[in-house]
Amino acid sequence: DQQVKQNSPSLSVQEGRISILNCDYTNSMFDYFLWYKKYPAEGPTFLISISSIKDKNEDGRFTVFLNKSAKHLSLHIVPSQPGDSAVYFCAASSRKSSGDKLTFGTGTRLAVRP
Amino acid sequence: DTAVSQTPKYLVTQMGNDKSIKCEQNLGHDTMYWYKQDSKKFLKIMFSYNNKELIINETVPNRFSPKSPDKAHLNLHINSLELGDSAVYFCASSSHTGNTGELFFGEGSRLTVL
Repeated sequence: DQQVKQNSPSLSVQEGRISILNCDYTNSMFDYFLWYKKYPAEGPTFLISISSIKDKNEDGRFTVFLNKSAKHLSLHIVPSQPGDSAVYFCAASSRKSSGDKLTFGTGTRLAVRP
Repeated sequence: DTAVSQTPKYLVTQMGNDKSIKCEQNLGHDTMYWYKQDSKKFLKIMFSYNNKELIINETVPNRFSPKSPDKAHLNLHINSLELGDSAVYFCASSSHTGNTGELFFGEGSRLTVL
């Protein structure tokens, strides 16, 4: 039962343009969402998060949007840079019921072309 | 200075053997985790320890036994290895007090069972 889904396994974007990575979830108990970035042979690193009480959170070039009614979140990277090329994982948790347990999607591989 | 370090990084072994993966964090965090990333790239939680106490145990075969000698260390011992145990195992830590849900991951330990 895949509760967090990233339906696009890969995305290719031109440098300087916007990258939009999507994530859908099925568990309505999820109330906290995170994006992680992973380079080859490294562990995932935290990028940005959003609580279910918000619909947008911004940090520099990275913005996460949350649409609770659609159970959908997206990560926008503007402008995209070659160094952003990595695998991006969406993750979710239900803070009230399961605390720190994160459920991850399968990732989207982003390639930013120079 | 690596925040979350795992050893070994690569492990190749025969079916039926017993092996251990060690994890140490120097972030002063009180919660540590083991995650497994299988061939389909699913990143799933296995165990979570808070101050040396087991708090999450996700339907993992009892051939897997985590041990936390202190809150900076969480080791994973696997008995009677099977082909299906081949995966990348990630250790992670978080600050329960901060409760942001952000996990700090190690680089991963790739286990190959022949």
